[in-house]
Amino acid sequence: DIVMTQSPDSLAVSLGERATINCKSSQSILSGANNKNFLAWYQQKPGHPPKLLISWASSRESGVPDRFSGSGSGTDFTLTISSLQAEDVAVYYCQQYYATPWTFGQGTKVEIK
Amino acid sequence: VELVQSGAEVKKPGSSVKVSCKTLRGTFNTFATNWVRLAPGQGLEWMGSIVPFFRTTSYAPKFQGRVTITADESAYTAYLELNNLRSEDTALYFCARPRTDYYDSRGHDALDVWGLGTMVTVSP
Repeated sequence: DIVMTQSPDSLAVSLGERATINCKSSQSILSGANNKNFLAWYQQKPGHPPKLLISWASSRESGVPDRFSGSGSGTDFTLTISSLQAEDVAVYYCQQYYATPWTFGQGTKVEIK
Repeated sequence: VELVQSGAEVKKPGSSVKVSCKTLRGTFNTFATNWVRLAPGQGLEWMGSIVPFFRTTSYAPKFQGRVTITADESAYTAYLELNNLRSEDTALYFCARPRTDYYDSRGHDALDVWGLGTMVTVSP
């Protein structure tokens, strides 16, 4: 199985400040066939299902605010919230869909400082 | 597209549970229906998937032998059955589907449509 490891487990950021979450895969999830990284980022709020924010490591979904951005390739990835808003308080997960079983990081809880 | 899941369940240890997920307003049989759970204090955990048209199932090794995923194409519904329940199986169970169908991606795509979840509680 591909192990996904996120850091930190939690972080507290002031409103308007930048939040950065890292995700590392135990093996490369970059496809040589299409040069795409099979990585997604999700946001989950209590009592709600996960919401897809970013796919292919850096492609923002329609309707997702542009303060959310994804970067990285191979085994190391980052989700950045450029200016944290109150509604961004949630748990964020990375997920690889390169090989089954699909696996998620353990989650990063983002709070307001 | 909307995924509608069955209601909450309370089960005894050692018993089985079967959760359903109905696809509304969208193609069902060529998309992979995935099952993901969220246990208290834990992270998201993928359990398996099914692509009805191709009769294709895939299971996470952790659940192999204890989980069965099936589908009724005529009812646009997928099912997750988990056997030999233990307290650690207490969790919110989600169904989810990827953005693209099996012809396009063989299931290798991010999950963009999710059900609201079915709470399964395992308690003596």
